[in-house]
Amino acid sequence: GAGVSQSPRYKVAKRGQDVALRCDPISGHVSLFWYQQALGQGPEFLTYFQNEAQLDKSGLPSDRFFAERPEGSVSTLKIQRTQQEDSAVYLCASSPGRLYNSPLHFGNGTRLTVT
Amino acid sequence: GNSVTQMEGPVTLSEEAFLTINCTYTATGYPSLFWYVQYPGEGLQLLLKATKADDKGSNKGFEATYRKETTSFHLEKGSVQVSDSAVYFCAQIPPGANSKLTFGKGITLSVRP
Repeated sequence: GAGVSQSPRYKVAKRGQDVALRCDPISGHVSLFWYQQALGQGPEFLTYFQNEAQLDKSGLPSDRFFAERPEGSVSTLKIQRTQQEDSAVYLCASSPGRLYNSPLHFGNGTRLTVT
Repeated sequence: GNSVTQMEGPVTLSEEAFLTINCTYTATGYPSLFWYVQYPGEGLQLLLKATKADDKGSNKGFEATYRKETTSFHLEKGSVQVSDSAVYFCAQIPPGANSKLTFGKGITLSVRP
């Protein structure tokens, strides 16, 4: 399809397990963002890539969170030793340009539940 | 810091009623302002935006005007439809922030037939 694709759609992990969340952006989109959305809250910025370069990771809540985009297209968000407070919807978004105000296209998200 | 505050929800209206959803922001300088909408089972999508003071964004019958003097960007629609039922998020990008959106908490709108 033409949109941003995220997988899996749902993930249940036991506390302490590692998880990997995948994002396939729209083909050719330069910029890629990860957001975390807790229940009843707005999305909060985690990290930003321009092509393969991670230009901003100021929103990552701890060193258990790691994101990569090695070839400038698909991105993976990895969470090590998951905790209950990591339960949230993780959103990926991409945009065609580098410029400020370039429109963002969001995926449907991955809902992570840590038990 | 930069933040966005939305009115408390949820909001329930009858079809054809007038809608206002309040949004105010705090920012250094003049941010760009956005309304995003999330329909049931779908991803966030841009509804409208305004990039400078007094600009009016509009789409699908919705409008919002960038008011610098009141630091507000309230969303309005003259006659809502059942299909407008969704979660609405106000958001901003501060100048030079590389598209890093700061969202409000969102508000759920339910429209009754």
